[in-house]
This record gives sequence, structure tokens and C-alpha cells, in this order.
Amino acid sequence: GQQLNQSPQSMFIQEGEDVSMNCTSSSIFNTWLWYKQDPGEGPVLLIALYKAGELTSNGRLTAQFGITRKDSFLNISASIPSDVGIYFCAGLSNAGNNRKLIWGLGTSLAVNP
Amino acid sequence: ETGVTQSPTHLIKTRGQQVTLRCSSQSGHNTVSWYQQALGQGPQFIFQYYREEENGRGNFPPRFSGLQFPNYSSELNVNALELDDSALYLCASSLDGFQETQYFGPGTRLLVL
Repeated sequence: GQQLNQSPQSMFIQEGEDVSMNCTSSSIFNTWLWYKQDPGEGPVLLIALYKAGELTSNGRLTAQFGITRKDSFLNISASIPSDVGIYFCAGLSNAGNNRKLIWGLGTSLAVNP
Repeated sequence: ETGVTQSPTHLIKTRGQQVTLRCSSQSGHNTVSWYQQALGQGPQFIFQYYREEENGRGNFPPRFSGLQFPNYSSELNVNALELDDSALYLCASSLDGFQETQYFGPGTRLLVL
């Protein structure tokens, strides 16, 4: 099935460092979402973006909806150990009447305390 | 407020068998979406049910079918299981078909031998 290009695939950083990850698509999306998934759990929504160029923050997290509507990035500032997990981007496709979320392959984040 | 629950948590089946997975939506939600997440991949949208009707479908064969009940809980049925069906199956509930604000359950881990 279709999946978005998400990079990097994995990151190993020191506590306190900033993190940046991005997501690109060959298709245009009207909505970009960023999720975090912990082991044994379902994904949890972090940030939703609804307009091209939009920059939205949620605590230490900041995400932007690219101007071309084909990309988005997520930044985490001053990382802490509980940031460990897999981060997914997802784009909402409104093709016809079939609205469906297309997901990235995920970025696995490890934080060294 | 009750969160999204799924059962069973784990399941082992053999090729050719049939399986039924269950999902209870969050209180007040009338929409359930099902996803398949293979190991190391992002979730893939299977289908969505809104008020007991299928309301969108991803690229999955007809042997993947579903139901939604009047209390908005849902079932995912998979016939003629194949080895590649081994995955984490996630359900997510939301209001009025909006995937942007959905809440995920913890998933059912299916292993097909």
C-alpha cells in the first residue's frame, strides 16, 4: 500500500538535544498529522495541521505544513527520555468520497539520558 | 469516559483459517476505522464504519470485511488467512467520520502460521 517518505528512519540522541524529522509525498494533502506510538500501544495524536504554511506548537513540539502541501516536518526541542518512541506522519487524502489516512514508515527515536 | 478497547490482545491462527477481531469505540463516538500495521511499517487503512455503514476503504481484498453494531462497536473479519496477514490490527474511534481526531486502541497482534 501507499506510504509516505519519512526521514530519518531512526535517531539516537542525547537528552537535551533538539530533534527534527520530516515527511514528503508525491501527492497533495489537505491535512497533515503527527503521531507518537509507544511499544504495545496505538498511535497518539501529537499535532494536526490544516493549512499550507501553518506552523503549530504543542509544548516542546513544533510542526509545519509545507507550502507545496506535499511535505511536513516535526521538531522536538530539549528532548527528554520519555520522548522515546516511534513518530509517524500521516496525510489525509480526500480523493473522491474516499477519505483515508496515508502514513509514513515512522522515525524511531532513542534518547540517551 | 471509556477509551477504545480491543480484543483479543494476541491471537495465533494458521493459514486458511478465519479470524474475528473486536473493537469497542470511545463513549460518544460513532465512527470506527481499522488499520493493519506490519512490523516496522506505518499503519495501513483497511476501512471505516460510520453509523453502521462502510464509509471508505483502503486497498485490501474482499476477504477483509467488517461490521459496526448499533452501539458503534465494530468487528473486523479476515477470511482465508495468509502468512502476510500477520500484523498488529488497530482500531480507532472518532466522531462523524473525522479521522483527524480519532483515538486508537492498543491493537490486536495476529500471528498466522
